[in-house]
Formats: sequence, C-alpha cells, structure tokens
Amino acid sequence: QVQLQESGPGLVKPSETLSLTCTVSGESISPYYWSWIRQPPGKGLEWLGYVYYSGSTYYPPSLKSRVTMSVDTSKTQFSLRLTSVTAADSAIYYCVKASTTTTITQMHFDYWGQGALVTVSS
Amino acid sequence: SYLLTQPPSVSVAPGKTATITCGGNDIGSKSVHWYQQKPGQAPILVIRYDSDRPSGIPERVSGSNSGNTATLTISRVEAGDEADYFCQVWDSSSGPNVVFGGGTKLTVL
Repeated sequence: QVQLQESGPGLVKPSETLSLTCTVSGESISPYYWSWIRQPPGKGLEWLGYVYYSGSTYYPPSLKSRVTMSVDTSKTQFSLRLTSVTAADSAIYYCVKASTTTTITQMHFDYWGQGALVTVSS
Repeated sequence: SYLLTQPPSVSVAPGKTATITCGGNDIGSKSVHWYQQKPGQAPILVIRYDSDRPSGIPERVSGSNSGNTATLTISRVEAGDEADYFCQVWDSSSGPNVVFGGGTKLTVL
C-alpha cells in the first residue's frame, strides 16, 4: 500500500520560507512524477508543480519565482520550499503521486498524503 | 489560462442520480480526471481518463466527456457520496499546467 506523509512546521512567519518534506512508503520514487497541491481551508485546489524522479522540475509561472522542489530517492522523500510567504500562502499542503511515468499531458494523482496545515502568521 | 467551470452545489435524494458537470473550452479533446473529497480528508481519485474507474471505485460512479462539457454521474446515490467533487485536466495553452475546477458540493437530501 502506497502511503505519503507530509512533515514540517505548521506555523511560518511572513516573509520567511515554508519547507515541507513528503516521505513515501510502499513505492519507489522512480519512475514517477511527484507534486505538491495546496488548498486554503474551504477553498479549491492549486497545483504547485512537479519534481520528476530524475530531479527535473516544473513550476507554474505564478509561483515559479518562489517555489523549489527536490527529490531524494535514497530516502524515498521529496520536498517543497516556498519563499517569501504571506498570509495568502496559508493552506493545507498535500504531497501527491502522479500516476503517469512519462506522459505528463495525462497527469493525474492516484495517491495523496493526509495534508499538512501551514499557517502564515507573525 | 484554461478555466474549468463547475456548479458550486448539486443536491439529490438518496437512490436518485447525481450529475456534476465540468465545463471548459473544447474539454472533449482533453483527458478529464475527477476527485472526491470528504470533510477533513484528502481527495481521492474516482475517475481517470474521462471514464475509467480506479480499483475500489463502485460501478455506480461513471464519467463522460464530449464537446465543452465533462460529466461525473453517480447513480443510486447514498449518504456516503456526500462530498466535494473536483474535475482536473492538463492544459498546455498557456504553458504546461494542471488545472482544477472550483469544485461541486454534492448534498444528499
């Protein structure tokens, strides 16, 4: 059974960096795409980008200047860093596994972590 | 950027059929995926590639996609189907991107 578990601080100060790690069990990091998706409480879902098992990444233009994702295959973990956070970045952050291994145009998400609530506040 | 439009809410009586739509320009040319999210839980994938059910999803749940509308249909609705439902596509029109609909709250009366 594939399981994903987010870890990291639940409270981050404005202008600082949000850092989360996702630990994967029951599956190898290779050869999949891995993503982060966030959801402000009571609102919709926003995709933050992906990291491929090879380490290549893609981020949407709206967040590109602030987001970094990385992968550690030996630890079966991948990570998210979001810099210069504001209150608008307060959300539940989900780490997710994409079911596709090569065709990104078919990307969808078959396993999700339980979510980590991150609040940006001083 | 590509926009997916869902009705904010749909209500249905137990045993009836719920239909949730997802509108987008020429969405029929894309693969549409659907997620169910119950309160306090992470979303789960209920339909992939327009109409394929992942393992463990009941046959009562089905999907279709044509023209400018994709549809999620839940037959013989049960109280346990009450949840938020989100559609999702991959779009490249303004650069590669995963796009989600705004979500539909399904209420079982």
